[in-house]
Amino acid sequence: EPEVTQTPSHQVTQMGQEVILRCVPISNHLYFYWYRQILGQKVEFLVSFYNNEISEKSEIFDDQFSVERPDGSNFTLKIRSTKLEDSAMYFCASSVRQPSGAFFGQGTRLTVV
Amino acid sequence: RKEVEQDPGPFNVPEGATVAFNCTYSNSASQSFFWYRQDCRKEPKLLMSVYSSGNEDGRFTAQLNRASQYISLLIRDSKLSDSATYLCVGENSGGYQKVTFGTGTKLQVIP
Repeated sequence: EPEVTQTPSHQVTQMGQEVILRCVPISNHLYFYWYRQILGQKVEFLVSFYNNEISEKSEIFDDQFSVERPDGSNFTLKIRSTKLEDSAMYFCASSVRQPSGAFFGQGTRLTVV
Repeated sequence: RKEVEQDPGPFNVPEGATVAFNCTYSNSASQSFFWYRQDCRKEPKLLMSVYSSGNEDGRFTAQLNRASQYISLLIRDSKLSDSATYLCVGENSGGYQKVTFGTGTKLQVIP
């Protein structure tokens, strides 16, 4: 069964450092998303991406965040200068059309120290 | 008011019981709704879409009531494996695809 894959599964970084979280969406999907979930809290939408551009972003997705689809398979989330409050599980998701339910990757746990 | 609101539970039910969750939404622009399940420290998994006409998938039935702005999920004949947190999700369509998750309702099915 096709799945969304994310790497790494766990990333520890020092405050102020840049991190790049990587995702390979399901191959025939056209819509890509990043979400985050702080431990014990709800899943929060960060950004959606379609046709090589951001289609929607939340208020969380400020100038410190960026997304890119550098090639035909990868979808990345970059955080330029991490803060302690960026510590969370980051989920990548993809869907074949919009609106529709999305398929989530296993997540990357980001710990900022 | 939260955009998507759920009773956090937990709902503790015996195996074989029927359990129902409701979810209310405040944003009338929300066009599409979904139920996901999330196991502890795992990713959300799409359970089913929610339609006004109702949607049934095996033991699971979802319903949308636009007039009252609520979504329901009914689970019949609960199994131990149904124990999870159930997330209600609203999605705007047409130009803006903002997705809003509820905080989730925790279900524990007891032997």
